[in-house]
Amino acid sequence: EAQVTQNPRYLITVTGKKLTVTCSQNMNHEYMSWYRQDPGLGLRQIYYSMNVEVTDKGDVPEGYKVSRKEKRNFPLILESPSPNQTSLYFCASSLRWDREDQPQHFGDGTRLSIL
Amino acid sequence: DQQVKQNSPSLSVQEGRISILNCDYTNSMFDYFLWYKKYPAEGPTFLISISSIKDKNEDGRFTVFLNKSAKHLSLHIVPSQPGDSAVYFCAASGGNTPLVFGKGTRLSVIA
Repeated sequence: EAQVTQNPRYLITVTGKKLTVTCSQNMNHEYMSWYRQDPGLGLRQIYYSMNVEVTDKGDVPEGYKVSRKEKRNFPLILESPSPNQTSLYFCASSLRWDREDQPQHFGDGTRLSIL
Repeated sequence: DQQVKQNSPSLSVQEGRISILNCDYTNSMFDYFLWYKKYPAEGPTFLISISSIKDKNEDGRFTVFLNKSAKHLSLHIVPSQPGDSAVYFCAASGGNTPLVFGKGTRLSVIA
């Protein structure tokens, strides 16, 4: 089954404790992206990657890191999490980023709570 | 500055009637537009899209209209069903800009 898998689905942690949210897709997609969803703010892009070893900042990259060492994986790293990073996070992928007939597929989300 | 705007945070419609969700954009380089639907505890799922060379695209009960001169698009759902109750996100892309999402509109279809 074609899917985007995020782990963990839920995490409660404390300020300053490094964490990684993994994202994996099995569709051989070139493009992957991370978003956060906050009430009243919709989906805001954190980082994206157009292909292996190519990553770019989105609208809200501060406090986050990513890597794209292989095509299927795109982990999101919070080196020193803070309470303002409490949010619902989505990973997405698509074959291409610039084609309307290649819409993004989203994972089911990761709810992070930073205390 | 918000490039994709959904000015109605919520919308309630009776079952069987038409739902119209609106979206405005500011970036004239956008050349394709998508609508996504999101249920609670799930990721957004693609619903329908339209390229800037068209002014209408239809898929079953869902139709998207694009008015480039007004930088406006709308999603029509006819007839609306209770299962359509969800948050709908408008998104746009083009030029060198990856997909940009609006804030979403929560649609409630009342039986």
